[in-house]
Parts: sequence; C-alpha cells; structure tokens
Amino acid sequence: NAGVTQTPKFQVLKTGQSMTLQCAQDMNHNSMYWYRQDPGMGLRLIYYSASEGTTDKGEVPNGYNVSRLNKREFSLRLESAAPSQTSVYFCATPGGNSVSPLHFGNGTRLTVT
Amino acid sequence: TQLLKQSPQFLSIQEGENLTVYCNSSSVFSSLQWYRQEPGEGPVLLVTVVTGGEVKKLKRLTFQFGDARKDSSLHITAAQPGDTGLYLCAGPLSGNTPLVFGKGTRLSVIA
Repeated sequence: NAGVTQTPKFQVLKTGQSMTLQCAQDMNHNSMYWYRQDPGMGLRLIYYSASEGTTDKGEVPNGYNVSRLNKREFSLRLESAAPSQTSVYFCATPGGNSVSPLHFGNGTRLTVT
Repeated sequence: TQLLKQSPQFLSIQEGENLTVYCNSSSVFSSLQWYRQEPGEGPVLLVTVVTGGEVKKLKRLTFQFGDARKDSSLHITAAQPGDTGLYLCAGPLSGNTPLVFGKGTRLSVIA
C-alpha cells in the first residue's frame, strides 16, 4: 500500500518558471490537502479539497492553483514561481472525521532561485 | 495569528533524561493530535486526544489534554536517540475542517 505518493521529490526552478506538483492517494479518501512547511513556521495549509470537484483556499493560497483531477489525484500548480515559494510541500489526506489521522506523502522539496 | 503555540521550539537533551513539550491555545479544540516527523518524511500520527483531562500513554510517551481543551502536553520518560525528531501538535478549527498545526518542537536526544 503506497498511501500518499508525491512527485517529484526534488525540484529546482528559476524565478518565473512554472511547474505542477502531483499527489495521488490510494486510500479512497474524499478529502485531500496541500501544506507547505518552512523552517520555524510549521505546516501551513495552501489549498484543500473536501471532495472530488471541490477546492477551497487555505491560509496561504496566493501564487498557487489546484486541480482535483479525480478522487485519487490532487495537483498543485505554481504558474510563475518566486523565491518566496521555496519550501517543502506536503500532500495529505484525512480519514472520514475530525479525529482521523492525516496521512502524508513524503514531500516535494522545491527551490526557486 | 498562531492558534497553536508550541514550546520549547528546540530541545537538546542527554539520553535517559525526561522532558515535556507543550501545545497551548486561547481557543477550544474538539480534539488535538500529536505528530512526529523525521527528516525527509511526512509527519506521522502519534496520538489523538478528544476528552478534556484525558491522559494517553504510548510506551514512554504520555499525552495529556487540558481540562478546558485549550492545551496539551507530551511527556517523554527516559528519552532515547530514536525519539529525535520534530513534534507537531495539530487540531481542527471546527467540524471537519483541515487541521491547523503548531510550529513544532525539534527534539535532539544525544547518546
């Protein structure tokens, strides 16, 4: 069981370039999330999808777009990367209620120069 | 606004020592979760506390949820190098909304 799979693991971009981070889960969960993690800042929610076909902004959505392609896949797109978007990005999916654990992928480490 | 404040931010101790890390908020949470994260990996759930005053034990780790459900603590007895990692607390703002996280406590246990 893979759980949550993120690709790529590492990426270096130049300012202004675009890229899409991919996330897929095989847990048949309805909800999927994107967080970013910066040193000393903890995990901050970028966007989330409560179910297939819906997406909502989180705490730090500026500069990002998302697509919930189907129940399994939730992608995060940077249209014009900026150095401030250098971070580690995590995709996660929860179980069915507020006390269910969050299952995380292993992250994508993105550097924007 | 930081809804969940964790302290200390960093902690370096010798193997065998005891330690406590804290997660505090001015808001009431229906539940709180503790995660541990190792380098290069995503966080992994340790425990969920849901009842005010609840105490849960996981081997040498003891988790407590405050009576008012605004704070939680994690106590580790006789720390081992394998306990090294980033400890994060998290909780839902309401209902089934995504979890908000504290900034974490980075623990280093030296052999």
